[in-house]
Amino acid sequence: GAGVSQTPSNKVTEKGKYVELRCDPISGHTALYWYRQSLGQGPEFLIYFQGTGAADDSGLPNDRFFAVRPEGSVSTLKIQRTERGDSAVYLCASSFGRTSYNEQFFGPGTRLTVL
Amino acid sequence: DAKTTQPNSMESNEEEPVHLPCNHSTISGTDYIHWYRQLPSQGPEYVIHGLTSNVNNRMASLAIAEDRKSSTLILHRATLRDAAVYYCILNYGGSQGNLIFGKGTKLSVKP
Repeated sequence: GAGVSQTPSNKVTEKGKYVELRCDPISGHTALYWYRQSLGQGPEFLIYFQGTGAADDSGLPNDRFFAVRPEGSVSTLKIQRTERGDSAVYLCASSFGRTSYNEQFFGPGTRLTVL
Repeated sequence: DAKTTQPNSMESNEEEPVHLPCNHSTISGTDYIHWYRQLPSQGPEYVIHGLTSNVNNRMASLAIAEDRKSSTLILHRATLRDAAVYYCILNYGGSQGNLIFGKGTKLSVKP
């Protein structure tokens, strides 16, 4: 079946602009995670959704970052007033359940470049 | 969150077994040991996980030390496609499951 998809695959924007990154999880997966990966580093947790609600947003770096999942499926990560330091690959993952032993399925990521 | 220690890089020859070590001396009784790998320009991919007993699946085997302070991911016959960064991650059994990645081990496979 279809895996996790993310759009766009690449996004180039200018400093100060607003961007939206989209994640389509695997159908039926209730848990959805966003991670950010900088060059040479492992992915870093940003936010976790269980259904429609953000159960844990402790990884969001500041209030310029916000994410929604209004119908419990597709999620959008929104970044306001982008800065050069926001440049990274943004990864989305989904899993069937919310427990720590559930396998997470990752999308290919969106590469964000802030000029 | 409990931390893991992995070598930065390892090399292997194609069709030979590979043993990727991971130290996790501060592991707690409810921490699951997960392994993910990330091929170039792709998102991470689940490999295997375990709690106390050794585990096998079609991709790999996971050998867990009796005291659980270390584990080893075993690829029985490395292929060129196995060249990736391998992450060993501890995940608290009562948590919601967000993964805390380190830098992982970059595995190179020589033909």
